[in-house]
Amino acid sequence: DIVMTQSHKFMSTSVGDRVSITCKASQDVSTAVAWYQQKPGQSPKLLIYSASYRYTGVPDRFTGSGSGTDFTFTVSSVQAEDLSFYYCQQHFTSPLTFGAGTKLELK
Amino acid sequence: EIQLQQSGPELMKPGASVKISCKASGYSFTSYYMHWVKQSHGKSLEWIGYIDPFNGGTRYNQKFKGKATLTVDKSSSTAYMHLSSLTSEDSAVYSCALLILGGLAHWGQGTLVTVSA
Repeated sequence: DIVMTQSHKFMSTSVGDRVSITCKASQDVSTAVAWYQQKPGQSPKLLIYSASYRYTGVPDRFTGSGSGTDFTFTVSSVQAEDLSFYYCQQHFTSPLTFGAGTKLELK
Repeated sequence: EIQLQQSGPELMKPGASVKISCKASGYSFTSYYMHWVKQSHGKSLEWIGYIDPFNGGTRYNQKFKGKATLTVDKSSSTAYMHLSSLTSEDSAVYSCALLILGGLAHWGQGTLVTVSA
């Protein structure tokens, strides 16, 4: 199985800051990576698919980049409602696999 | 509007089985594979597998083979997941979701399964 490693379990930020979350795949997954936001008690929400494409209705402060094994998810100007868990996921091959998640929290 | 409505929480005894439902609306049921995902409390997400509602074809994560069985009822646009021989390790939130454009774009609200004696 492909392992998706999010090296930071927590990231501290302030409102208005730019913050990036990284995700590393254990093997080449091309650009087959999605990013999700999950708030407590809610299902995950798709933000980015195919590494860099913003899903319908997702604000443009959220961006994704990368290919191969290294991927980055960036929030250009953090808003209070962005403080949440974020997960990467590969859909290059079965089984689909997720990263362990990164919690974005206030400094 | 695409909606996936799941059945309610379940409290089960060890060794029992449970069947969770996911009723789809707002799109053609046979157009997208229905995926299932497990999330244990405070932990990350695990992909269980998917079913093709058109022909009932399935693909499972090897880890869940023998544990989960996916079926559909096209007449009611409902997908089901049967979990067998429950243990405490199966206590989790289980969600159905649709893979669109390479991401799981639509999710059910999740069904909490608690396994306790």
